[in-house]
Amino acid sequence: GDSVTQMEGPVTLSEEAFLTINCTYTATGYPSLFWYVQYPGEGLQLLLKATKADDKGSNKGFEATYRKETTSFHLEKGSVQVSDSAVYFCALFGNEKLTFGTGTRLTIIP
Amino acid sequence: EAQVTQNPRYLITVTGKKLTVTCSQNMNHEYMSWYRQDPGLGLRQIYYSMNVEVTDKGDVPEGYKVSRKEKRNFPLILESPSPNQTSLYFCASSIQGASYEQYFGPGTRLTVT
Repeated sequence: GDSVTQMEGPVTLSEEAFLTINCTYTATGYPSLFWYVQYPGEGLQLLLKATKADDKGSNKGFEATYRKETTSFHLEKGSVQVSDSAVYFCALFGNEKLTFGTGTRLTIIP
Repeated sequence: EAQVTQNPRYLITVTGKKLTVTCSQNMNHEYMSWYRQDPGLGLRQIYYSMNVEVTDKGDVPEGYKVSRKEKRNFPLILESPSPNQTSLYFCASSIQGASYEQYFGPGTRLTVT
């Protein structure tokens, strides 16, 4: 079946550092890809999405590009802030099902 | 305010004592679902509902029941909870299915002793 693999955390960065969280997927067909973010004590919320190859999703300074050739959807941000501390989930929709990765905990220190 | 609400937020119970976690959304969404979140396993879907009176099993339905009598409500029922159901539970809804943006509730932390 479909699956999503995320880099293991936790990830700790200093404020204003560059962020990359890796995400690769295995799926048949052409899935849609998502990044969800979970702030402390809250439910998940959609951060960005891409529905076809070479699409770039972006929101709040975060970006991710749907790379079909490498089956990847890595999350990037040029300059992180303390408020970006959260757990980030990569997910795909394919075969009528939404599949989540295991999540990556990100901590930003001032 | 558009939101998904869950109650209770925290629950400690004993093995075998039936419990219900309520979920309600005020966005007129057709699709609702329940997930459990466990360390190292991410989110796993328990049940989902495409519309009123239509429910289907997700990946880990054993030990759970759901019902969808009204569009806005989707309660999760544990008839005889066991310690392996200790987890963080999330309800989610979307306009029309799993491919659309999911709106999550704040979560229910359940401990079964």
